[in-house]
Amino acid sequence: SQTIHQWPATLVQPVGSPLSLECTVEGTSNPNLYWYRQAAGRGLQLLFYSVGIGQISSEVPQNLSASRPQDRQFILSSKKLLLSDSGFYLCAWSVDGHTEAFFGQGTRLTVV
Amino acid sequence: AQKVTQAQTEISVVEKEDVTLDCVYETRDTTYYLFWYKQPPSGELVFLIRRNSFDEQNEISGRYSWNFQKSTSSFNFTITASQVVDSAVYFCALISTSGTYKYIFGTGTRLKVLA
Repeated sequence: SQTIHQWPATLVQPVGSPLSLECTVEGTSNPNLYWYRQAAGRGLQLLFYSVGIGQISSEVPQNLSASRPQDRQFILSSKKLLLSDSGFYLCAWSVDGHTEAFFGQGTRLTVV
Repeated sequence: AQKVTQAQTEISVVEKEDVTLDCVYETRDTTYYLFWYKQPPSGELVFLIRRNSFDEQNEISGRYSWNFQKSTSSFNFTITASQVVDSAVYFCALISTSGTYKYIFGTGTRLKVLA
């Protein structure tokens, strides 16, 4: 069966520090991969999605970036965090653009 | 443009009451998929149901039921005999086959079931 792993679960980082969140999927090949952000009490904002290695689509211009160095690995990064980057970050995968997406357990990021 | 609207920000009900969560969507595509997810306090989104645009049959799964109506662009979710464990944020989502792979989510409805 397929599983998705996302880490760390919680993270407290100072303003201006770098960020690296990692997400890996097991049990499937060539998944579509997604990064969403959920601000406190808000809905889900799509940040990036990828349909293949090295193929990254950005939805929101900001100081975040994403990379897909391997088929089942999706990384969210920042060189310098802002206070506004605080939130709950969710990684997700799907087989294609027609089926349901499955989500990781999320990373709660607090920038101080 | 595609959009999902969940007008109900928060609903409170007493245990055993029935509750309906509304979802209205917008898309110009004729082929699309709709989803409902549950987000318990732990934060992980749990998939509940997927429905394609050509299947308007209502679906029932235990205490959960879904009413899909293309005429009104709605995909509503009803919980019968609600329980405290149903307390969560519920999200409706849409994805179309127009060549993008983006799941568009509504802003969610927070359901509080009081004992």
